[in-house]
Amino acid sequence: EDQVTQSPEALRLQEGESSSLNCSYTVSGLRGLFWYRQDPGKGPEFLFTLYSAGEEKEKERLKATLTKKESFLHITAPKPEDSATYLCAVQARTGGGNKLTFGTGTQLKVEL
Amino acid sequence: DAGITQSPRHKVTETGTPVTLRCHQTENHRYMYWYRQDPGHGLRLIHYSYGVKDTDKGEVSDGYSVSRSKTEDFLLTLESATSSQTSVYFCAIAGTGGDDGYTFGSGTRLTVV
Repeated sequence: EDQVTQSPEALRLQEGESSSLNCSYTVSGLRGLFWYRQDPGKGPEFLFTLYSAGEEKEKERLKATLTKKESFLHITAPKPEDSATYLCAVQARTGGGNKLTFGTGTQLKVEL
Repeated sequence: DAGITQSPRHKVTETGTPVTLRCHQTENHRYMYWYRQDPGHGLRLIHYSYGVKDTDKGEVSDGYSVSRSKTEDFLLTLESATSSQTSVYFCAIAGTGGDDGYTFGSGTRLTVV
């Protein structure tokens, strides 16, 4: 059974204070690891897909990295508008249907 | 969200009544999904579809059924709603490649009283 564990559950940062969110996973053959952002009352919004260990992707203040067991979402010099819940999900090579298994998310709050 | 809409956005229903949630897409994507999101559990897959009339169960399918008679519409039905089905329901779509992940709808908040 595929599993995704995210930590911490919640994180409070000051504006400009860089940090990282963790996503640990077990999957029967990783096809892809996905990061999403979710704002209150809205559906998750796609950020990144990572496919193999060592891969990195960046978007503005966010950088996602991948190892064989975990992924990190690095947030550099965050701003209040980065406040959201960040979700990690894995897609297995087997099983069909392009299904994603999600973690429970990290709720990030960035304060002035 | 562009290309995918869910209806209704909010619904309150009584225990034991049937409820149908609708997901409509304009992207002509092959895959459609229904998830529920609950505190402490994250997003859990209920059912998904990989084509017209082709559907399969997810991890929390008990008490739910789905239908897809057209590419653009995916319906989720609670045959007899229970309080444990109070949740936020999200529909998502994905193309054949799936490399961009899913595009999610805005969700339906369902309360069963």
